[in-house]
Amino acid sequence: IAGITQAPTSQILAAGRRMTLRCTQDMRHNAMYWYRQDLGLGLRLIHYSNTAGTTGKGEVPDGYSVSRANTDDFPLTLASAVPSQTSVYFCASSALGGSNQPQHFGDGTRLSIL
Amino acid sequence: GENVEQHPSTLSVQEGDSAVIKCTYSDSASNYFPWYKQELGKRPQLIIDIRSNVGEKKDQRIAVTLNKTAKHFSLHITETQPEDSAVYFCAKGNTGFQKLVFGTGTRLLVSP
Repeated sequence: IAGITQAPTSQILAAGRRMTLRCTQDMRHNAMYWYRQDLGLGLRLIHYSNTAGTTGKGEVPDGYSVSRANTDDFPLTLASAVPSQTSVYFCASSALGGSNQPQHFGDGTRLSIL
Repeated sequence: GENVEQHPSTLSVQEGDSAVIKCTYSDSASNYFPWYKQELGKRPQLIIDIRSNVGEKKDQRIAVTLNKTAKHFSLHITETQPEDSAVYFCAKGNTGFQKLVFGTGTRLLVSP
C-alpha cells in the first residue's frame, strides 16, 4: 500500500541522547516535511525539503537537522535531545513543493524525552 | 500575518445536527485552504481543500466556503454522525511560502 512510513512508532529517550526519526515514502513525491504536534499548538513545521538534495527551515528548526539524500527518505535528527522536544512528530509529503499543495501525513512518532 | 485563527476550540452537537468551524487569516497572498481531520492517536487526514479561485466546494456531507474579501473560510458538516467526532484543523498556504500554516484545531464531539 502506497504511503508514508515512520519509525519508530514511539520512543522514550534520555536527555542528551542523539535520536533519528525515520520517514520513507513510496509515492515519488518531490516534497517532504517534518512537523511536531503539541497540545494546544497544532502542527508546527520543523524542516522541509522541496526536492532531493535541498532542505529548508520551518517554524521551529532549532535542535533538529534533516537530510534528503534521495526522493524517498527524509530522516529527522535530534543531536542532543531535551525535554522540550517531547512531542508527537509527523512526517508528510506532497507531490510538489510549496504550501499550496495537498500534504499527506504518516502515522507519527511519539517521542518522550526524560 | 502568518497565523490562522480557528474557532471554536470545542464543539458539541447532537447526531444529525450541522457543525460549522471557522478560520480567519490576515494576509491577502494565501490562496490554498485545506482541512484536516485527526482522530485520537491517528494521523491528520486531508478531507477537503479549496483554492482561492472558487467560493465553495462540496464533498457529500462536508463543504468548505471561502470569503476572500473578509479573509475567512469555514468547514460545514451536515447530518453529523458519531464517527465525525475528531479534531479538525484548518490551514492556509500560498505559492510564495514554503510552509502550510495550521490553525490550533477544533475538537468536535457528536453525541448519539
